[in-house]
Amino acid sequence: DADVTQTPRNRITKTGKRIMLECSQTKGHDRMYWYRQDPGLGLQLIYYSFDVKDINKGEISDGYSVSRQAQAKFSLSLESAIPNQTALYFCATSDSREPADTQYFGPGTRLTVL
Amino acid sequence: KQEVTQIPAALSVPEGENLVLNCSFTDSAIYNLQWFRQDPGKGLTSLLLIQSSQREQTSGRLNASLDKSSGRSTLYIAASQPGDSATYLCVPGGGSYIPTFGRGTSLIVHP
Repeated sequence: DADVTQTPRNRITKTGKRIMLECSQTKGHDRMYWYRQDPGLGLQLIYYSFDVKDINKGEISDGYSVSRQAQAKFSLSLESAIPNQTALYFCATSDSREPADTQYFGPGTRLTVL
Repeated sequence: KQEVTQIPAALSVPEGENLVLNCSFTDSAIYNLQWFRQDPGKGLTSLLLIQSSQREQTSGRLNASLDKSSGRSTLYIAASQPGDSATYLCVPGGGSYIPTFGRGTSLIVHP
């Protein structure tokens, strides 16, 4: 089983709909991240959480919200989806106790907003 | 704010060539630097991670170096193969430092 899972893997929705993307991890890591990737661009950080009670905005948080329900779960919500939120979304985890603090990525969720 | 630049943006080479992918970053106060590979429309695969106390890391045909003081990292790919075709991403970060992605180098290795 994958260590970092994302659901759904693909989603098509309409403008104005509320969408939730979910991320779960079995690695026991304390840190979790949400990124979006647009074609031809690098990943941009939306939100990150260094532990359950610590949630921070990234560089492109407008239009998004998150919830860290448990150490293993970190959800990303689009309250009212718009077409320019069409992108590939990635969740990642890392462990602050590891000297290297390596990031591990989920498989991604492809979101299309019509 | 950390800025990451990867050069070249794209590269097309014949099989067998030795390659150098370059990454520069503006803030050298990082804990590590990670190199990832991404296949089109797919997730990210970690290739190598260099901690700030290290100068280089090697894995098979890949060698990554880090010069924190000058804000540079290099990924060296020896004897390239068509299966190496992908986008390569450089990510400085670690510790309390938020990871920042470059736009990547898109590599095509043709037979």
